[in-house]
Amino acid sequence: EPEVTQTPSHQVTQMGQEVILRCVPISNHLYFYWYRQILGQKVEFLVSFYNNEISEKSEIFDDQFSVERPDGSNFTLKIRSTKLEDSAMYFCASSEEHHPNEQFFGPGTRLTVL
Amino acid sequence: AQKITQTQPGMFVQEKEAVTLDCTYDTSDPSYGLFWYKQPSSGEMIFLIYQGSYDQQNATEGRYSLNFQKARKSANLVISASQLGDSAMYFCAMREGRVGNDMRFGAGTRLTVKP
Repeated sequence: EPEVTQTPSHQVTQMGQEVILRCVPISNHLYFYWYRQILGQKVEFLVSFYNNEISEKSEIFDDQFSVERPDGSNFTLKIRSTKLEDSAMYFCASSEEHHPNEQFFGPGTRLTVL
Repeated sequence: AQKITQTQPGMFVQEKEAVTLDCTYDTSDPSYGLFWYKQPSSGEMIFLIYQGSYDQQNATEGRYSLNFQKARKSANLVISASQLGDSAMYFCAMREGRVGNDMRFGAGTRLTVKP
């Protein structure tokens, strides 16, 4: 069964460093999303992406964040200068055009900022 | 602004019994979608069920059904015939307007199924 994959599963970085979190959505999906979940807290929407552009972004998704679809398969989230409060689980999700409401989530990348 | 409330931080249910997880929402947008996700201890997010604001019937997916009461702004999840594997965190979420818009999640309910 096709699934969303994310790499790495765990990323440790120093405050101020740039990180790139990678996602490979399901191949025929057209909507892509990033969410984050700080440990023990609710899931928070970051950004959605459709037709090679950002569809919507939350107030969390400030200038430190960017997304890119560099090729036909990858979807990346970049954090330019990480802060301690960026430590969280980051989930990528995707959905297909004909069933856009069923989002398939990846296993997540745990980001730890020291 | 949209808001999702899950008032039950934890719930217990006996195996094979049904359980209802509460979710209320607040929005002024007539077009919205309501979602339920399951998060087992392994951490992944699993889509369970979706209800559109204009849908006439309550959504059902196998053992999951969504008790949608529009006037009361509630979207409770009913799990029938609970199984031990249903033990997990359950999140209610809402999206206003079109696909791709911001989706807001509730704080979650931790369900424990007892044998």
